[in-house]
Amino acid sequence: GEDVEQSLFLSVREGDSSVINCTYTDSSSTYLYWYKQEPGAGLQLLTYIFSNMDMKQDQRLTVLLNKKDKHLSLRIADTQTGDSAIYFCAEKGYGGATNKLIFGTGTLLAVQP
Amino acid sequence: GAVVSQHPSWVICKSGTSVKIECRSLDFQATTMFWYRQFPKQSLMLMATSNEGSKATYEQGVEKDKFLINHASLTLSTLTVTSAHPEDSSFYICSARVRLGTDLSYEQYFGPGTRLTVT
Repeated sequence: GEDVEQSLFLSVREGDSSVINCTYTDSSSTYLYWYKQEPGAGLQLLTYIFSNMDMKQDQRLTVLLNKKDKHLSLRIADTQTGDSAIYFCAEKGYGGATNKLIFGTGTLLAVQP
Repeated sequence: GAVVSQHPSWVICKSGTSVKIECRSLDFQATTMFWYRQFPKQSLMLMATSNEGSKATYEQGVEKDKFLINHASLTLSTLTVTSAHPEDSSFYICSARVRLGTDLSYEQYFGPGTRLTVT
């Protein structure tokens, strides 16, 4: 079945760049997403990338996709204390309306002032 | 952007009672809603997919008689935890799917979650 893995924890200093990594197993994934979850809250979609793209940049966020290695990363430039949260990657396979999101295990990002 | 609300945000109930959680899409219609469960420091686990006007599709290992899902309208889905027990204590998150007219055919918007504590 599908499996999405992430490292559990990342600690960075304010102003540095953060890189959160994700690996997945489903080669038929069409879209890959990054979500942010603050304590006690739901999920906020940060960005997404279509599987035929290698990179997508959106302000401080850069998503890199290596489809051959099934590796996805999220880079946050100039990390701020407000970026402290849990970050989930998620993949959605081919099949249109009926496909569900498969979430990764989540990475806790701690930003030190 | 699309907003999904959940009510209540936090509920404490006694063991053996039933609890209903509402999920509403506030400014759009959602033919499909999803219910997730999240344990502390863990990822989201999909419980069921709910389509308006039809029976929910439950994931393997999720008891449909314990977690009753009703999706009576395009803006409201409810999850009822029946005869709740302490092991049902968890963070329940719903999401609603909407069709977009961009390269992203469908998008899911998540509610803020409901924390259930069963004593």
